[in-house]
Amino acid sequence: AQSVTQLGSHVSVSEGALVLLRCNYSSSVPPYLFWYVQYPNQGLQLLLKYTTGATLVKGINGFEAEFKKSETSFHLTKPSAHMSDAAEYFCAVSVDNYGQNFVFGPGTRLSVLP
Amino acid sequence: DTGVSQNPRHKITKRGQNVTFRCDPISEHNRLYWYRQTLGQGPEFLTYFQNEAQLEKSRLLSDRFSAERPKGSFSTLEIQRTEQGDSAMYLCASSLIGGIGYEQYFGPGTRLTVT
Repeated sequence: AQSVTQLGSHVSVSEGALVLLRCNYSSSVPPYLFWYVQYPNQGLQLLLKYTTGATLVKGINGFEAEFKKSETSFHLTKPSAHMSDAAEYFCAVSVDNYGQNFVFGPGTRLSVLP
Repeated sequence: DTGVSQNPRHKITKRGQNVTFRCDPISEHNRLYWYRQTLGQGPEFLTYFQNEAQLEKSRLLSDRFSAERPKGSFSTLEIQRTEQGDSAMYLCASSLIGGIGYEQYFGPGTRLTVT
């Protein structure tokens, strides 16, 4: 069965510092991978996704992620954190051959310190 | 606004009461999903519809839960005889089937508190 682990339930960085949020997955089918962000009392917003092709994926708000099959990882990075990046981040893997149905990780709360 | 909408945004109910939530997906989307999210956790899949057909239900969806999407448009999620353990955020998402890797678009959620 597909599953997602996110190392670190809470990550704190200083404003302007590198953001690195970790995601590892297991999948019995070719994985389609997604990162979503959730602000307090709001739904989830897609940051970026990997389906096929280029393994380095760029998303909104300056985020990017790299699919590494050998490491079964899809870590999310941003070169310079902004205060507005403080939120909960969820990695998700598809559980079917078409990337339609998802399993979400437990999430990582990102705090940005001034 | 053409996003996914959910009503109500908040619901407080007493244990044992029935509650119903509504989700209006993006109009051209033919798939609709329900998730439950508890504090500090990721969304957990409950069920999904393709048009009006309910194609999959999670083991989390006990007999007290029922979902419908009668005309392939909006959907309702009903919880009968609510329990305190039902307190959670209930999220709805929609997507367009076809191709590969179509992302799900989420609504703002309905927060249920059972007292």
